[in-house]
Amino acid sequence: DAKTTQPNSMESNEEEPVHLPCNHSTISGTDYIHWYRQLPSQGPEYVIHGLTSNVNNRMASLAIAEDRKSSTLILHRATLRDAAVYYCILRDVNAGGTSYGKLTFGQGTILTVHP
Amino acid sequence: DGGITQSPKYLFRKEGQNVTLSCEQNLNHDAMYWYRQDPGQGLRLIYYSQIVNDFQKGDIAEGYSVSREKKESFPLTVTSAQKNPTAFYLCASSMTGADTQYFGPGTRLTVL
Repeated sequence: DAKTTQPNSMESNEEEPVHLPCNHSTISGTDYIHWYRQLPSQGPEYVIHGLTSNVNNRMASLAIAEDRKSSTLILHRATLRDAAVYYCILRDVNAGGTSYGKLTFGQGTILTVHP
Repeated sequence: DGGITQSPKYLFRKEGQNVTLSCEQNLNHDAMYWYRQDPGQGLRLIYYSQIVNDFQKGDIAEGYSVSREKKESFPLTVTSAQKNPTAFYLCASSMTGADTQYFGPGTRLTVL
């Protein structure tokens, strides 16, 4: 599986934008970039995903570099409820066998939001 | 409300006992998954099932067993052969293997 690299931790103030980076220099052409987040003592929650173009949804925006070797998850106005571990995951939906459907979680970025 | 339920939230067992963790979904999803999470770590895949009566081993299947007799249910048994069973166990489902996965609230298992 192609790997991702994220900072161990980041901090933000409430109401400010947050940019969470992810490097994936070995990404393949069929890898989608997925972001999940996990609040303390809860299961992960899907945030957003994309392939080549920037994506927006009600939770966040995903900015993908032109060469696809990096991406940035953008929370436009951080709230205290956004404090979580954010995981950047590459997922090849064309993979077969034991890779089919698998999400490979790294250690993610711990986001702390200050009031 | 549609979703995934896992029970119980906390579970304590004595060493050497088998224990079964429940996972139920009413999302009409074909695919279901079990992950394990250790403190400060990401999730690791134990087993997955793409359809009823079929399941496949994930990365860390040793010491675990599953069944998929019904579409909505995917119980996980942690056997006495699992050397370090204390962990946070998460169940997930998706429409197919290629779709977004939705996670349950998790079961925290402690083996004493």
